[in-house]
Amino acid sequence: GAGVSQSPRYKVAKRGQDVALRCDPISGHVSLFWYQQALGQGPEFLTYFQNEAQLDKSGLPSDRFFAERPEGSVSTLKIQRTQQEDSAVYLCASSFSEETQYFGPGTRLLVL
Amino acid sequence: AQTVTQSQPEMSVQEAETVTLSCTYDTSENNYYLFWYKQPPSRQMILVIRQEAYKQQNATENRFSVNFQKAAKSFSLKISDSQLGDTAMYFCAWTGANSKLTFGKGITLSVRP
Repeated sequence: GAGVSQSPRYKVAKRGQDVALRCDPISGHVSLFWYQQALGQGPEFLTYFQNEAQLDKSGLPSDRFFAERPEGSVSTLKIQRTQQEDSAVYLCASSFSEETQYFGPGTRLLVL
Repeated sequence: AQTVTQSQPEMSVQEAETVTLSCTYDTSENNYYLFWYKQPPSRQMILVIRQEAYKQQNATENRFSVNFQKAAKSFSLKISDSQLGDTAMYFCAWTGANSKLTFGKGITLSVRP
């Protein structure tokens, strides 16, 4: 069966540009998570959805970051007015239960 | 605060030998889950093994096994018969009531031919 997919895989943005990152979870998975991974570090939690409800957004670093999952399936992470410190790999994960999360390949964002 | 500590930044092992990766964590919760994830250079994070804290029996998955010491808050991963494909970054992670994963900084494992 298909795993978690993310697009684009790579994104180069100019500082100040808005970007949108997409995540397609595993079919039937209720929970969806976004993480940010800096080079050589472990992923850091950004936000979490259960179906279409955003239950936790405590990890979003600023109000420039916004995530949505309007129909409880595909999710989009949007970053407005990108800054160089936003450069990272953005990982999406989904789970059927709330314990085991399965990850997508990530989107590598580079802000110049 | 919930934390996960992986104190070894990198390790190297000869092919076919056994290696143990260390992890400690800190939590005040009683019901939680621990994981080891593998991230090869392609960057896809892959689940290696999972342990429920309420289970005393250590989890095993083929060549991978854990040594879970709940009182000591220790969760090490043993890889037996190491293979070249095991070369990757390995992350220890924890989740509890808030559902989000907290990761350690990771350890880079190199398997030498």
